[in-house]
Amino acid sequence: DIQMTQSPSLLSASVGDRVTLNCKASQNIYKNLAWYQQKLGEAPKLLIYNANSLQTGIPSRFSGSGSGTDFTLTISSLQPEDVATYFCQQYYSGSTFGAGTKLELK
Amino acid sequence: QVQLKESGPGLVQPSQTLSLTCTVSGFSLTSYSVHWVRQHSGKSLEWMGRMWSDGDTSYNSAFTSRLSISRDTSKSQVFLKMNSLQTEDTGTYYCARNGPGGYFDYWGQGVMVTVSS
Repeated sequence: DIQMTQSPSLLSASVGDRVTLNCKASQNIYKNLAWYQQKLGEAPKLLIYNANSLQTGIPSRFSGSGSGTDFTLTISSLQPEDVATYFCQQYYSGSTFGAGTKLELK
Repeated sequence: QVQLKESGPGLVQPSQTLSLTCTVSGFSLTSYSVHWVRQHSGKSLEWMGRMWSDGDTSYNSAFTSRLSISRDTSKSQVFLKMNSLQTEDTGTYYCARNGPGGYFDYWGQGVMVTVSS
């Protein structure tokens, strides 16, 4: 099974900061990676698919990059409504999720 | 618009069977796959299984022996049945639509299930 490792597990940042979240796959998954945002008490929401494609309706401050085993989600200017837990998911072979990065305001 | 909604009992006794329904609208089950995903409180997401658009199924090996996914296309419903429930099966269960590439583009609101006597 492909394992997904996210770092850091907890990230504190200020409004307006550029924020970077990391996700590492245990083997090459090419660009078969998605990022989800989950706010407290809500279902996950798709942000990025195919490593760097922005889902319709998602603000352009969110962007994804990477391929192979190393991936990044970047928020260019953190907004208060971005407080959430972010999960990466590989769908190259079956489906597995990372443990998540909890993003909070400093 | 695309919607998915899970329904089922909130409380199940240990060793009993969990039965959940995912009712979809805005798309056809014969065109899109639907997944079941579980989340323990405050924890990560765990893929359980998939109902393919052609009626085939795939399961996470961690659940294969006790999980069954089926559907009724006339009612736009996908069903999850899991037997031999234990307290560790407590969590929120989601159904989600498979997007064009394998990611999950729409999710239901989730249904919380507690396994307790």
